[in-house]
Order: sequence, then C-alpha cells, then structure tokens
Amino acid sequence: QSVLTQPPSVSAAPGQKVTISCSGSSSNIGSNSVSWYQQLPGTAPKLLIYENNKRPSEIPDRFSGSKSGTSATLGIAGLQTGDEADYYCGTWDTSLSGFVFGTGTEVTVL
Amino acid sequence: QVQMVESGGGVVQPEGSLRLSCAASGFTFSSHGMHWVRQAPGKGLEWVASIRYDGSKKYYADSVEGRFTISRDNSKNTVFLQLNSLKTEDTAMYFCARWTSRGTPDTGRYDLWGQGILVTVSS
Repeated sequence: QSVLTQPPSVSAAPGQKVTISCSGSSSNIGSNSVSWYQQLPGTAPKLLIYENNKRPSEIPDRFSGSKSGTSATLGIAGLQTGDEADYYCGTWDTSLSGFVFGTGTEVTVL
Repeated sequence: QVQMVESGGGVVQPEGSLRLSCAASGFTFSSHGMHWVRQAPGKGLEWVASIRYDGSKKYYADSVEGRFTISRDNSKNTVFLQLNSLKTEDTAMYFCARWTSRGTPDTGRYDLWGQGILVTVSS
C-alpha cells in the first residue's frame, strides 16, 4: 500500500505539457528529497529527477521537478509518443526507515 | 559496462524458498547502498529491503520482515535476497537498484536498475 498519492492517469496531445502530482506527508516528502522514475512497458524503471529538481545528464530538459511542503510535481513538456509510460515518485520515509513509492501515473499521448 | 544482472528467480510453492542474486559491474560496488524493489503483475513499485554499502545496516518492508534477508559480498560485487516462507502475494518481478546519495537517506535515489527477475509463488 503506497503512502504517496499520484493521479492514476494523465493525457495530452503531442507537444503539449502534462504535470503529475505526488502527495505525501511530513515524514516522507516533507523532510526528504523526491525522485521520479519512468517505466516504459516491460522494462525496468529509469531515474528522471533526483533531489526534487535535478536531472541526470542524459535526461532532456523537457522533464522538470519541483517540491513544496509535502507535495511534489513532475512536468513533461513537449510531449512525445515515446513518453508514454508509467511514472513514479519516491522518497525516503523517516518514520518507516524505508523508501516509499507513489501509486504511479500512466501518461498517454493522444 | 555499468550494469546489474539479477538471477535466481523461478516458480516455487507456497512456504518455499529462493535466493536471488544481483551481480554488479562497471562501478565501485562497495561505495553504494543496494536495495531490492518488487513489482507485482500489473501493480506499482514496492520497496522490499536495503543494505548499507558496508553491510552494517539492513532495513526491510513490514510485508517481508522476518521472512526475507538481504546480504552482500563486496569481494564478488553481488547483493543477495534470501526469500523464505514465500506467499502467493510475493509473486512479482524483483529488481535490484543502486542507491546513490550525498551521505544521508534524505538525498538518496535509485540511479541504476537491474533488468528484473521474476518470482512466481504458486502451488
């Protein structure tokens, strides 16, 4: 049972922008940095964003992240068909002494 | 080549056991914490267990505490997950994931993943 809540799905036309929210609490997002992962069908997850808003060098700047209080947001600009995937937020939970993932959001390009 | 490869999965009966391995290469294995993450068919990601870079601390999800054991052999660049007393709800793809942080858990993230290994618990 995930402790971080995400919308089940979001969609937009090619070239548009989508945002995915991730809601947590003071023991996880409120006190630790958030990372985001992209999981293409049938593959392992891939790191997109770490420490709330930093991108690994190979990730295009179309992907962005932010955090405020106990919530975080992933933005995907200039949507492409190759962005169709499941997206997960995640962070350390200090109370649980473990990592927690969001419920996951499926992105569809219309 | 920087990669991690899992092995040891398969089909097992309820109450049975399996030992998963994750062999790492191309990076300094002993400098990183290592975690196991699983994904049940059609479901989301679930953190399972973690071990510090030197093996000194281990943490487990409540759902596997007392049944699963994580360990590592830094001389062989390998992390293990011993699965005992398996239940049907443990059926999942199991991923090993490299943990990278600036020294404290609050900055940590998974920056490298294995391809995953399937564990099926069924009679």
